Amino acid sequence: QLQLQESGPGLVKPSETLSLTCTVSGGSISSSSYYWGWIRLPPGKGLEWIGSIFHTGATYYNSSLTSRVTISVDTAANHFSLRLSSVTAADTAVYYCATGGSWFDPWGPGTLVTVSS
Amino acid sequence: ETVLTQSPGTLSFSPGERATLSCRASQSVSSSSLAWYQQTPGQAPRLLIYGTSRRASGIPGRFSGSGSGTDFTLTISRLEPEDFATYYCQQYSSSSWTFGQGTKVEIK
Repeated sequence: QLQLQESGPGLVKPSETLSLTCTVSGGSISSSSYYWGWIRLPPGKGLEWIGSIFHTGATYYNSSLTSRVTISVDTAANHFSLRLSSVTAADTAVYYCATGGSWFDPWGPGTLVTVSS
Repeated sequence: ETVLTQSPGTLSFSPGERATLSCRASQSVSSSSLAWYQQTPGQAPRLLIYGTSRRASGIPGRFSGSGSGTDFTLTISRLEPEDFATYYCQQYSSSSWTFGQGTKVEIK
């Protein structure tokens, strides 16, 4: 069955760029008709959708983050990636990757990213 | 953008009680595009309900979803100890996904 796993630095300095990768196993990104998405959970807050990408490369971003977010897909490596620029402490969160159509299932286990100098 | 409002933020119940959680949308949501998730601390969200009322694979029958238009409900018929968690509704429309802010179900 499909499994997703996030990876990337756990600590990022303010004003720098957060970069995460989601590796997919048990299925091919390029043969899927689903979207591949990033969602985050800031401490003490609720889930926030960041953005999604289709295997064709079409991207969709949360309007509140669109100026800072880039999501890309590497079908050969079977992974997709998130870049969030000019981070501040407000971007500290557990970041999840997930897949689906109108809903998300399955999800990766999540990775904590802390923004601090 | 469709805003989902879940209120109240916290509900307190005893095990065995019935819990009803509310999710209200700022504009009409397609019934096929409304989902519910359960999240416990340190775990990824778990899909419970999709398409407003369809249980995801492996989800117990005590979980049910209903609603239409702008008002949706998640019902847990008899709370088990493992059901005390935070629950989120989520919708999809026009290539945009949004989540409610969550309702925490705690032990009274």
